[in-house]
Amino acid sequence: AQSVTQLGSHVSVSEGALVLLRCNYSSSVPPYLFWYVQYPNKGLQLLLKYTSAATLVKGINGFEAEFKKSETSFHLTKPSAHMSDAAEYFCAVRTPGTASKLTFGTGTRLQVTL
Amino acid sequence: GAVVSQHPSWVICKSGTSVKIECRSLDFQATTMFWYRQFPKQSLMLMATSNEGSKATYEQGVEKDKFLINHASLTLSTLTVTSAHPEDSSFYICSAPWKAGVGYTFGSGTRLTVV
Repeated sequence: AQSVTQLGSHVSVSEGALVLLRCNYSSSVPPYLFWYVQYPNKGLQLLLKYTSAATLVKGINGFEAEFKKSETSFHLTKPSAHMSDAAEYFCAVRTPGTASKLTFGTGTRLQVTL
Repeated sequence: GAVVSQHPSWVICKSGTSVKIECRSLDFQATTMFWYRQFPKQSLMLMATSNEGSKATYEQGVEKDKFLINHASLTLSTLTVTSAHPEDSSFYICSAPWKAGVGYTFGSGTRLTVV
């Protein structure tokens, strides 16, 4: 069964600093991996996804993530944090060929300070 | 493209009453709809999977008789919380896969408060 682990339930960075949100996955086959952002009382918005093409994936709002098979990781980064990036971030995995279910990590709350 | 419209965005109901949440796919046909529940500051937990024209598949521990799911058309799936109690208060989100599961689109969520 597939799973994802997000290290750090809460991350705080200064505005302009590097953002690094960690995600490790477990899957018996090459996975599809996703990062979503959620603002309070809102649904989820897709930031980016990896579907077995390029290992470095660029998403919206300046975010990117790199798929590293050897480390079973898919960490999310952004070079310079903005106040508007403060939100909850979820990593999710879907195993190709299954019934399209997504399994979510526990989430990381990003706080951006002045 | 691939927009799911979820209504209502928030609802307050009295204990013992039923509440219906609707998710409509606006520009694509959603043969499958996932229903999630999210408690404050927690992740999304899959409750059930609905498929158009067939019975929903519920995850272990989810009461089928309390959370009634209907997916009668390719553009509409509904979740009815029956005989709601305060412990059912939560944030409910629907999601539909598209492009053969390469993409997923989410509704904006429904905040249910049972008093």
